Amino acid sequence: GAGVSQSPSNKVTEKGKDVELRCDPISGHTALYWYRQSLGQGLEFLIYFQGNSAPDKSGLPSDRFSAERTGGSVSTLTIQRTQQEDSAVYLCASTNSARNIQYFGAGTRLSVL
Amino acid sequence: SQQGEEDPQALSIQEGENATMNCSYKTSINNLQWYRQNSGRGLVHLILIRSNEREKHSGRLRVTLDTSKKSSSLLITASRAADTASYFCATDRRNNNDMRFGAGTRLTVKP
Repeated sequence: GAGVSQSPSNKVTEKGKDVELRCDPISGHTALYWYRQSLGQGLEFLIYFQGNSAPDKSGLPSDRFSAERTGGSVSTLTIQRTQQEDSAVYLCASTNSARNIQYFGAGTRLSVL
Repeated sequence: SQQGEEDPQALSIQEGENATMNCSYKTSINNLQWYRQNSGRGLVHLILIRSNEREKHSGRLRVTLDTSKKSSSLLITASRAADTASYFCATDRRNNNDMRFGAGTRLTVKP
């Protein structure tokens, strides 16, 4: 596609449910990032994928959070047993790592009730 | 952990005035970038400055980089109401390709 696509754009879930957020990066981009942004706050780094290398998971806040990137393209961020504090906008970005300019999706706004 | 720290956290100016935002970082970098975000959604890349550059211009944007002080500034000249947004700096650390963003500056330009 022309840009980074994230789905769903909005997700409302009940506390304790699992959610999956999807990111389709720009074709050919080797690196992919997930960030979390709480209302009015900055970006919190979650996880980084680069080619076939082991992902940098250092930003994941707990073991309820996991992500995978299949075939070096689409990525899924999974949050298990969601909590109210997980409510935020989850942003995905991909990059041509040669210059590392990041191209962002529009985000998924997650609301945990 | 965050690499960049922007200040001020919030800035309010009148249309036509200049807006200056600053960013400080902690470790050696390859390059520094500035991004803009409207309405809490995706960020848009504005400008990239490499570690061996000191100043760069793009339209009404002027970015400076002082690697000795580990700081950068973004100047928006002749601001417009449409410039109202949050502005973030991002750095990639030398020997590490990942990017880290600061908390951002919320700019409000009043018409």
